[in-house]
Amino acid sequence: GNSVTQMEGPVTLSEEAFLTINCTYTATGYPSLFWYVQYPGEGLQLLLKATKADDKGSNKGFEATYRKETTSFHLEKGSVQVSDSAVYFCALSRGSARQLTFGSGTQLTVLP
Amino acid sequence: EAQVTQNPRYLITVTGKKLTVTCSQNMNHEYMSWYRQDPGLGLRQIYYSMNVEVTDKGDVPEGYKVSRKEKRNFPLILESPSPNQTSLYFCASRPFRDRDEKLFFGSGTQLSVL
Repeated sequence: GNSVTQMEGPVTLSEEAFLTINCTYTATGYPSLFWYVQYPGEGLQLLLKATKADDKGSNKGFEATYRKETTSFHLEKGSVQVSDSAVYFCALSRGSARQLTFGSGTQLTVLP
Repeated sequence: EAQVTQNPRYLITVTGKKLTVTCSQNMNHEYMSWYRQDPGLGLRQIYYSMNVEVTDKGDVPEGYKVSRKEKRNFPLILESPSPNQTSLYFCASRPFRDRDEKLFFGSGTQLSVL
């Protein structure tokens, strides 16, 4: 079946450090891939997406590239800020109704 | 303002006492869905609806019911809550044919069943 495996957290970084959160997936067919972000006390928000192999999604300085050969969609940011502290979820869409399967989430804390 | 509104935000109840969590969206979205979020498990889908009077089970539907009598509302019903349903619940919506597949989420309902 379809599944998403994310890097275990929590992750703690200093401001301006480089961020990588690993995400790998198992899926039949050609899913779209997503990163959602959840700030404290809020619902999830779409951060970025990619719909086919080699696509790069980007938003707010975050990037992720759809790698079919390694079934990965790692999230990166060159210089994190305190305001990036949140939980990050990798997800894939599946089926004709495009249901989302989420990973377990990675808590990121950025210290000043 | 475009939004998904869930109520209540926090709820403490006892085993077996029926409860309903409401969800309403003002974006005329066809698709609505309920998720529960548990530590280490991420979000798991409970039920979803692709339009009025059309609902279907997600990955963890046991112990839950839903209805979709109006396009804007998608309530989650726990007929006889049990402690293993203690969780953070999210409602979400999107246009059914949205190629971006972006889900709009509510702010969540923290449920504790004693």
